Amino acid sequence: AQKVTQAQTEISVVEKEDVTLDCVYETRDTTYYLFWYKQPPSGELVFLIRRNSFDEQNEISGRYSWNFQKSTSSFNFTITASQVVDSAVYFCALSEARSGVGNNRLAFGKGNQVVVIP
Amino acid sequence: DTAVSQTPKYLVTQMGNDKSIKCEQNLGHDTMYWYKQDSKKFLKIMFSYNNKELIINETVPNRFSPKSPDKAHLNLHINSLELGDSAVYFCASSQETGLSGANVLTFGAGSRLTVL
Repeated sequence: AQKVTQAQTEISVVEKEDVTLDCVYETRDTTYYLFWYKQPPSGELVFLIRRNSFDEQNEISGRYSWNFQKSTSSFNFTITASQVVDSAVYFCALSEARSGVGNNRLAFGKGNQVVVIP
Repeated sequence: DTAVSQTPKYLVTQMGNDKSIKCEQNLGHDTMYWYKQDSKKFLKIMFSYNNKELIINETVPNRFSPKSPDKAHLNLHINSLELGDSAVYFCASSQETGLSGANVLTFGAGSRLTVL
């Protein structure tokens, strides 16, 4: 069964510091997809990134970057030069490739609460 | 224009009551979902529907009954509410890409249900 572990529950950083969120996953499938979602204090879930298991290239989007390492089953997320608006809960999630429609069982980690102190 | 909209945003009710949460998406997506987020922020899938057909039913008590009148709507009806049903319920939708696991879900803002 698929499983996602985000060990750090709450992380506090001072504005402009970098913060890295760890995500470790378990799956028996060779084809799978990894995601990060952001949940700001307003409560909605915002999609940040999707990665498939065959693409280990790291990705950078502005101040956000992701490091995917299949060897350690990790998909870590770094926020560079954090800002107060980055304060949110960040969820890592995994879904295994399934045929058929509507069969997306996205498994979430417990989330990392990031608090950026001004 | 809100892509995935849920109503109501907040719902406070007594144990034993029946309540519904409505969800509509204007993205033209084929698949819709209900997720439950508990008090510890843990998110878990409950149901998925594709073109009005139930696909995923994830060991949810049968007091919960989803209904999809068309592919743009997925409502959640809960009978005989219990204290443990208190949670935030998220509706989501996705466009099928051929491999279900690859689909990116667009979530609604959530509906916070409090059972007293």
